[in-house]
Amino acid sequence: AQSVSQHNHHVILSEAASLELGCNYSYGGTVNLFWYVQYPGQHLQLLLKYFSGDPLVKGIKGFEAEFIKSKFSFNLRKPSVQWSDTAEYFCAVNGEGTYKYIFGTGTRLKVLA
Amino acid sequence: GAGVSQTPSNKVTEKGKYVELRCDPISGHTALYWYRQSLGQGPEFLIYFQGTGAADDSGLPNDRFFAVRPEGSVSTLKIQRTERGDSAVYLCASSLTGHVNTEAFFGQGTRLTVV
Repeated sequence: AQSVSQHNHHVILSEAASLELGCNYSYGGTVNLFWYVQYPGQHLQLLLKYFSGDPLVKGIKGFEAEFIKSKFSFNLRKPSVQWSDTAEYFCAVNGEGTYKYIFGTGTRLKVLA
Repeated sequence: GAGVSQTPSNKVTEKGKYVELRCDPISGHTALYWYRQSLGQGPEFLIYFQGTGAADDSGLPNDRFFAVRPEGSVSTLKIQRTERGDSAVYLCASSLTGHVNTEAFFGQGTRLTVV
């Protein structure tokens, strides 16, 4: 079955700490991968996406993610978090030729000032 | 408008009642999606429109759920005989085309509570 797993449900970090959020997927065939962020009281926004090419993808606000095909992973990273990064982060996948996103359950990140 | 607009933002209804949730996509976007997000879960696909037609409604949980998009713009999600298990945030998204490489933009959602 197609699925996305986010292993960390809640993460608490201090400002300037480094961040890595795990995402693993199960999907037969070629995939497109996404990270969305939802700030408190706001709508889901696209952080970054991978379709093909360089497996290291850079997104907005200093975030990046690396697609490791052999591990079926697409982990999100940021070298130094800020208080304003407090939000919920969702990993999502869709398959080549499809439009349905399959989302993970999300990771709530809290950054302490 | 600048983004995807959903109304109402909150809806409380009694079990057994009928509700309608509205989505106003970004102007010019031909593709429209409905997702449902239950507490502690990620969004789950419900239905996809390309223009006026429902290209894929495989995510609708049962026949109490129905959605329309009569003029290829605004969409309405309709839920009959609501049940407490229908309580969730209903998200609408739109994209310029239905091509998988186009970004989907999400609205803020309608929080439905069935009491």
